[in-house]
Parts: sequence; structure tokens; C-alpha cells
Amino acid sequence: DAGVIQSPRHEVTEMGQEVTLRCKPISGHDYLFWYRQTMMRGLELLIYFNNNVPIDDSGMPEDRFSAKMPNASFSTLKIQPSEPRDSAVYFCATRVSGSYNEQFFGPGTRLTVL
Amino acid sequence: QQQVKQSPQSLIVQKGGISIINCAYENTAFDYFPWYQQFPGKGPALLIAIRPDVSEKKEGRFTISFNKSAKQFSLHIMDSQPGDSATYFCAASMEYGNKLVFGAGTILRVKS
Repeated sequence: DAGVIQSPRHEVTEMGQEVTLRCKPISGHDYLFWYRQTMMRGLELLIYFNNNVPIDDSGMPEDRFSAKMPNASFSTLKIQPSEPRDSAVYFCATRVSGSYNEQFFGPGTRLTVL
Repeated sequence: QQQVKQSPQSLIVQKGGISIINCAYENTAFDYFPWYQQFPGKGPALLIAIRPDVSEKKEGRFTISFNKSAKQFSLHIMDSQPGDSATYFCAASMEYGNKLVFGAGTILRVKS
């Protein structure tokens, strides 16, 4: 079975540009999480969805960040406009309801904002 | 109260030795304690997890010890191997909860 798929794996952009990160969850998993990982702040939960509906976005740092899940097979995390401090590795993770909080992480997208 | 404190920040162990990583939490509502392993350039992967109704769980060379009264749990890696060199994260969440609170991570290096 394919795991969580994220694209692109690496993104380099200039400050002010729009960035879109993509995630394809494991089939049948109804929870999807977006995390950000930095040396300073570690792993931070940004937002999570259940059955395509955003449940908790309290971790989204500011209005420049937005996330959508238009269907069960796809989610995006968008940063507009991007800033150098957004440079981080962004992970998507998914899990199936009814289990303990066993989350399966994707390989991540390394974002560099110049 | 939502924090999970992890130590040490980094650890060097000789091949064949025992690696021990410790975590402490405050929120007594936490009811699920997983450990994740992360290799460079990869996402975290679930290694082993425990619930507080048991004091120890063992899977191969990996053991979680849990002390509910002290609100502490630890990961022991027996017979540590160079291939175990990675970053290890402890985490906690409420039973069937959805938010994982992660520790800061421990960089383990096993010297051959």
C-alpha cells in the first residue's frame, strides 16, 4: 500500500511568492494533519481535518496560511505571501478513526523561502 | 500543561549498548504515549506506543517503561546498532484524541 504522498519534496521560492504544498492521504484514512518542523520549534501541528472538514486550525501561524481538503484524496497547504521565516519542513500525516492516535507521516516538503 | 519534556537532547552510545531517552508530561488526561523514529530526510515513523494501563511494553529491542504516578515514560533501546542512529520523539495524546503533543526530540548516534 502506498503511504502518505507529498509533493513537491523540495520547494525554493522567493519572499512574497505563493507556495502550495500537496498531500495525498492513505486510502481509507479519514483524519489528515499538517505539521511544520523547525529546529527552533520542533514539530508543530498546524491544522487537522476529519472527513474533509477542518476541525482545529489553532496552530496555523497567521492568515497567510490556509489549508483545504476538497476531497478524501487530496489536501493543500498554501502560504501567501511567503516569508523567510516560513522556511521549514512541512509534513502531512493521516490516521483512521477508531484507532488510537496512530498517525502515519509523509516524507515531507522542505520549503526554503529566500 | 500541554507540554511533553524530553531528554537528553542528544545521545551517543556504543554499539551493543543501551540507549535511554526520557519524557515527562503534566496533563493527566493524556492516555496514549507513542514514540516516533525519524531518519534524515524522512517523516517520523511510529516505533512503539503504550497506554497507561501497563507499566512496560516491549517490541524486539525497543521497550517503553511507563510510570504513571511520576508522569514519566522512557524508551530503552537494547543492543543499540548503528542503524538505530536517528532522531527519536516522544509524544502524548488523549485517548482517541487527535492532537499529538511532541517532545523536542533526541538525536541518537550509535558508534560502531
